[in-house]
Amino acid sequence: AQSVTQPDIHITVSEGASLELRCNYSYGATPYLFWYVQSPGQGLQLLLKYFSGDTLVQGIKGFEAEFKRSQSSFNLRKPSVHWSDAAEYFCAVTRSNDYKLSFGAGTTVTVRA
Amino acid sequence: GAGVSQSPSNKVTEKGKDVELRCDPISGHTALYWYRQRLGQGLEFLIYFQGNSAPDKSGLPSDRFSAERTGESVSTLTIQRTQQEDSAVYLCASSLGQALNQPQHFGDGTRLSIL
Repeated sequence: AQSVTQPDIHITVSEGASLELRCNYSYGATPYLFWYVQSPGQGLQLLLKYFSGDTLVQGIKGFEAEFKRSQSSFNLRKPSVHWSDAAEYFCAVTRSNDYKLSFGAGTTVTVRA
Repeated sequence: GAGVSQSPSNKVTEKGKDVELRCDPISGHTALYWYRQRLGQGLEFLIYFQGNSAPDKSGLPSDRFSAERTGESVSTLTIQRTQQEDSAVYLCASSLGQALNQPQHFGDGTRLSIL
């Protein structure tokens, strides 16, 4: 079975500072990896995804993530956080030809002025 | 509309009552998913519809849960004899197809509270 761990439940970061959210997965085959963001009272929005190829993927809103097979990680980063980035972030994993996504428990990001 | 629409946005009901949640997917999206999000947890897959194929119900937690979809349009998730542990946000998503390069677009969810 596949599983996703997001070690940080809550992160507080100053506006303009960098942000890194951790995601570790447990899966035997090559995973397909996703990051979603959920703003308060809204549904999930896809930030970026990794299927194959370049291990550094760029997403929307200035986010990027790096797939590291040796560490079973897919950490999300943003160089300079904006107040509007305050939200909950979910990492998800699946395998090829499987539509079922397994989600982590999420990391809540608070941005302070 | 342009996105996935879910109704109601909030539902409060007494334990033991039946509830029905509705999802209107994006027009043209053949795949539709239901997820449950309990407080402080990630999303749990419940059920998946793809076109006219038999739905994948493997994620439904008990026989009190059922879902239907009319063709490639509206879906309803029904929970019978609700229990307090059913309290959660129920999210619906749709995509153009099953392939993973077709991202899932999520609705804003229905927040269900069982008293």
